[in-house]
Amino acid sequence: GAGVSQSPSNKVTEKGKDVELRCDPISGHTALYWYRQSLGQGLEFLIYFQGNSAPDKSGLPSDRFSAERTGGSVSTLTIQRTQQEDSAVYLCASSLGVGANVLTFGAGSRLTVL
Amino acid sequence: AQKITQTQPGMFVQEKEAVTLDCTYDTSDPSYGLFWYKQPSSGEMIFLIYQGSYDQQNATEGRYSLNFQKARKSANLVISASQLGDSAMYFCAMRELIRAGANSKLTFGKGITLSVRP
Repeated sequence: GAGVSQSPSNKVTEKGKDVELRCDPISGHTALYWYRQSLGQGLEFLIYFQGNSAPDKSGLPSDRFSAERTGGSVSTLTIQRTQQEDSAVYLCASSLGVGANVLTFGAGSRLTVL
Repeated sequence: AQKITQTQPGMFVQEKEAVTLDCTYDTSDPSYGLFWYKQPSSGEMIFLIYQGSYDQQNATEGRYSLNFQKARKSANLVISASQLGDSAMYFCAMRELIRAGANSKLTFGKGITLSVRP
């Protein structure tokens, strides 16, 4: 597609429920990133996929968080047993897998855990 | 490990004047890239400018320029002729460049809020 597409744009859920956030990167981009941004804060790295390499999961805050990328394209970030502190905007970005390339961000998925 | 520091409080600038947003970084990698992004109140992240650690000249993109001082590990963003639409949050970010050419994660600073006064 022309840009990075994320869905849903807004998600309200109850504490303890599982949620799935989807990211469709720019066609041809081999690198895909998930970040989290709490209100008024900077971007916190969560996970990074690059081609067929093992993902860099070093930013995932707990084992309730997981992500997968199927077929080198679409990615799903799953948060199990959501907590109120998980409330944030989850941003996905993609880039070409060569050299120092710019990350193009999606519009984000705003998650609110009640 | 890489670290980005943006410590300025909210910045204010008069329309049409220039403003400098500070960014310092720390890395042990000799090869790295520095990025600035703008995030207006609508929330989207907009790429502004990029500087490679081995670039001989400071990067410029229209009204944006990067004052890169490698020895001091600083990469300040200069916005000339400020416009009302420049009011936003600005993030400095860094990526260490792996020799094989693969990307690595982009580490962001906490951001600086810029308000342009008419």
